[in-house]
This record gives sequence, C-alpha cells and structure tokens, in this order.
Amino acid sequence: QQQVKQSPQSLIVQKGGISIINCAYENTAFDYFPWYQQFPGKGPALLIAIRPDVSEKKEGRFTISFNKSAKQFSLHIMDSQPGDSATYFCAATPGGQGAQKLVFGQGTRLTINP
Amino acid sequence: DGGITQSPKYLFRKEGQNVTLSCEQNLNHDAMYWYRQDPGQGLRLIYYSQIVNDFQKGDIAEGYSVSREKKESFPLTVTSAQKNPTAFYLCASSARTGPYGYTFGSGTRLTVV
Repeated sequence: QQQVKQSPQSLIVQKGGISIINCAYENTAFDYFPWYQQFPGKGPALLIAIRPDVSEKKEGRFTISFNKSAKQFSLHIMDSQPGDSATYFCAATPGGQGAQKLVFGQGTRLTINP
Repeated sequence: DGGITQSPKYLFRKEGQNVTLSCEQNLNHDAMYWYRQDPGQGLRLIYYSQIVNDFQKGDIAEGYSVSREKKESFPLTVTSAQKNPTAFYLCASSARTGPYGYTFGSGTRLTVV
C-alpha cells in the first residue's frame, strides 16, 4: 500500500527525443507527487510536482501527467538533452497534519545520447 | 541562502569504529530525514524526526543512531554494528505545512577501509 512502483529502471533516449518515466501507486491517501532529479555524487533536487486535482503540469520541457483513476503518474521530458542524463525518482506522500514522509520509487537512470 | 549542509563530503572509517555524519539546515524546517543510497539503487530511509527531541526508525535503522537536540541539526552516527556501512548518505528536511517536498543535502560518501 505504501509502495510507489517506477519503471523503467534505465532508459536510453536520443537527443531531441521524448523521455517517459512511469510511476504507479496504491495508497489513495497520497495527495502530493514530486519528481526528483539526481546527478552522480549529488543530492536529489526537486524537479516538478503535482497534486491530484490537476491532470497535467508543465514546466519548460518537463511535464507531469496524472491519472487519478488509474493511480498512475508519469514524467515526460520533451526535446531531451545530454544534460538531462541523470537518475530520476518519483515520490508520493499523503496529506494531513504535519510533515509527512515521502515514499520514493526505485529510480530511473536516464541516458541521453548526443 | 537557505539550505542543508552535510559534512564531510567524503569520510573513511576503519572497521569497528563509530563515525558521525553532520547535517545542518537553516530552512526552519521541522522535519529531517536520513537516507542511504547504494550504487545504482534507490533511497532507503534510516531515521526521521518530525520535531525536536523526537525521532523514529525508518526501514533500515539497525546499526545507526541519531539525535535531534536542535531544530537545525540532525546528526547520524554509523556504529560498528552496521555490517556494511559503505554507501552514500543523504540528509533531507521538509516543512510542517505544505508543500511537502524535501530539500536534500549534497550527501556524504562513507567508505570503510
């Protein structure tokens, strides 16, 4: 119930292509879904996040699509660039009072070939 | 600038020694977290604290200890009981009120020699 399943584990995309990473969850209490980007040897950094009251959120080349009924959400990277090569983590957390733990997916290692 | 500072960036430990990893934040966040990351792996929660003087075990707490005496600080001690401590350790913090995303530090890479 507390898991977030992320796929694929690794992904290779040509420069200029679209990168798509998918996540699925079971806990309907989750109400905040962030994506993190991590470069080697660095801590993850918040990339983009969405709440379930919207189906899509776009920031530059990065878009989150959210399907509440299917309990799935995905990250799309348009016009993928070599600088996007990193590990991406999806996450989810329930609402409620006080700070809540994030539940992370297992991560996707994205490689953009020039 | 507000943020989380982890130190040291690299740490070497002899077998049988305890070591303490530092984590300090000036974001005025109530909650703080410690994660372990092994090569090519995801993030595994070691300990977390939602308020000063209180903390809870995460999924892999055995061989680790923490304290939370100040809001800004959440040090992690890797004890000699931790069988395989070589890993990348990440500290994070979050606010009590939303949005609930974490801010991560830059990590400490611990190697047992």
